[in-house]
Amino acid sequence: KAGVTQTPRYLIKTRGQQVTLSCSPISGHRSVSWYQQTPGQGLQFLFEYFSETQRNKGNFPGRFSGRQFSNSRSEMNVSTLELGDSALYLCASSSTGGLGYTFGSGTRLTVV
Amino acid sequence: DAKTTQPPSMDCAEGRAANLPCNHSTISGNEYVYWYRQIHSQGPQYIIHGLKNNETNEMASLIITEDRKSSTLILPHATLRDTAVYYCIVRVGGGSNYKLTFGKGTLLTVNP
Repeated sequence: KAGVTQTPRYLIKTRGQQVTLSCSPISGHRSVSWYQQTPGQGLQFLFEYFSETQRNKGNFPGRFSGRQFSNSRSEMNVSTLELGDSALYLCASSSTGGLGYTFGSGTRLTVV
Repeated sequence: DAKTTQPPSMDCAEGRAANLPCNHSTISGNEYVYWYRQIHSQGPQYIIHGLKNNETNEMASLIITEDRKSSTLILPHATLRDTAVYYCIVRVGGGSNYKLTFGKGTLLTVNP
């Protein structure tokens, strides 16, 4: 079966712009989580959605937001981009959010 | 979630067993031990998890000490494709905790 699909794979944006990243989970998975990975901070949890509701949120500023649609697809948005937002953004899906997560290949965002 | 401690790097010869240790001395009774790995520029890949019994699947074996304060991930016959960063994560299974807290992991290099 198809894995977790993230689009786009690569993105270059300018400081001050906003960006939307997309994640399609494995069919049947209702939990979608987002992570940011940078060389300095490693992998950090952003937020998690289940049945269109945000259940957990990491320690990120309000510029980072997300949502989940009725078909479980999820988007995350970053507004007023800063250079420090350059990172690999990873999405993971799970059937219940309880045990194993399947990660996508990520979207590499570069802010210039 | 309990904190984990892993060596920053390890080497292993191709074809030999790779034994990756993890200390989690503050683990609680309801916390599972999870292992993920991340091959360069890809999303993390779930390997195995366990509560207190040793576990084995097609990828690896997980040995958890009787006091549950440490564990070892064993790749029985390491190949060059097993070169990756391996993360040991401790978390409550299900419940209200829906995030994975990644540490710095162990960079395993499999040498020919």
